[in-house]
Amino acid sequence: KAGVTQTPRYLIKTRGQQVTLSCSPISGHRSVSWYQQTPGQGLQFLFEYFSETQRNKGNFPGRFSGRQFSNSRSEMNVSTLELGDSALYLCASSLTVSTNEKLFFGSGTQLSVL
Amino acid sequence: QQPVQSPQAVILREGEDAVINCSSSKALYSVHWYRQKHGEAPVFLMILLKGGEQKGHEKISASFNEKKQQSSLYLTASQLSYSGTYFCGTDFSGGYQKVTFGTGTKLQVIP
Repeated sequence: KAGVTQTPRYLIKTRGQQVTLSCSPISGHRSVSWYQQTPGQGLQFLFEYFSETQRNKGNFPGRFSGRQFSNSRSEMNVSTLELGDSALYLCASSLTVSTNEKLFFGSGTQLSVL
Repeated sequence: QQPVQSPQAVILREGEDAVINCSSSKALYSVHWYRQKHGEAPVFLMILLKGGEQKGHEKISASFNEKKQQSSLYLTASQLSYSGTYFCGTDFSGGYQKVTFGTGTKLQVIP
């Protein structure tokens, strides 16, 4: 069974640009969550999608947005990039939205903003 | 609000034991533990639900004290493969929201 796939693996952008990251969950998983990982901050929750609907959102500015398609694939968009957006962005999938389900993480997209 | 993990980093020799703590200022419904090796995705270790049960995964076990709002991860007879960053995730919502992860504990096991 294929794992969670995130593309691209690395991205380099400049301030002010926008970026779109993609996540394909494990087949059959309907919940996709996004996390930002930076040194010293751990994993910061961005948002969760289930059945194409945003179910929860973390404390990030409106520049961060996402969506989920009918096949459960998800995209995350960051507009007007800032230097502080440099981070590893992880996507995780699970069968349902239950908190008591384990998350399966992708290897992430490393975003560098110059 | 993020749970607090301690220590932030620890270096062990093979065969030594370690304890990683995770504490919260809010009531917890469950605690999750994940391990992330360098350059890899975080991998699920275990979930502990209310009730103080202790769970195990290989020589790694954990406890959850809901009254004290804390959990501890026990690594026994550490192996080189245990190296990585350990994250605890806590559920404050009773299942309605995703877990909130701590900042992680970096564990390095040396020969």
